[in-house]
Amino acid sequence: AQSVTQLGSHVSVSEGALVLLRCNYSSSVPPYLFWYVQYPNQGLQLLLKYTSAATLVKGINGFEAEFKKSETSFHLTKPSAHMSDAAEYFCAIEGAGSYQLTFGKGTKLSVIP
Amino acid sequence: DTAVSQTPKYLVTQMGNDKSIKCEQNLGHDTMYWYKQDSKKFLKIMFSYNNKELIINETVPNRFSPKSPDKAHLNLHINSLELGDSAVYFCASSLVGEGEKLFFGSGTQLSVL
Repeated sequence: AQSVTQLGSHVSVSEGALVLLRCNYSSSVPPYLFWYVQYPNQGLQLLLKYTSAATLVKGINGFEAEFKKSETSFHLTKPSAHMSDAAEYFCAIEGAGSYQLTFGKGTKLSVIP
Repeated sequence: DTAVSQTPKYLVTQMGNDKSIKCEQNLGHDTMYWYKQDSKKFLKIMFSYNNKELIINETVPNRFSPKSPDKAHLNLHINSLELGDSAVYFCASSLVGEGEKLFFGSGTQLSVL
């Protein structure tokens, strides 16, 4: 079984500051890991994904995440927050070959002007 | 041009009623899903369905049933609605073997009174 834990249900950062959203995973098989973003009143969309290639994954809108097996983590970062980044972010895991995702509980990102 | 569309966007109903949420995708995908997002933002898969197989999350009550008139549609029918069914329900679709590349609808907020 696979699971992810997102630390912090709500994160606030100032515009221009570093964004760090934390995700730790648990998996008995090599995991595939994902970050999804949900903008207000919209469905989820894929931000980036790790599928056992490069451990540093770059996504859309300047976001990136690093897979660290030793720490069982897949934290999402962005060097400089923009107002448009305010959204709900979900970490998700897929056991390789299962084709079904398990989502974390989400972290709401607020960006302060 | 919406890729995955679901209707209605909002649904308010009384306990005990039967209701349906419709989902349509125009992406040519062969697998469709229903996810439930509860008040704590936890996102949980309910069903996945393609032409060959319906996979049901065993924790989903049998009051919930997916109905697929064709490959582009997967509707969610709910019998005898309960207060605890209040949540946002997301439809999604993907190509078989690429389950992580989900395309989500914008969600249906169900409120059971």
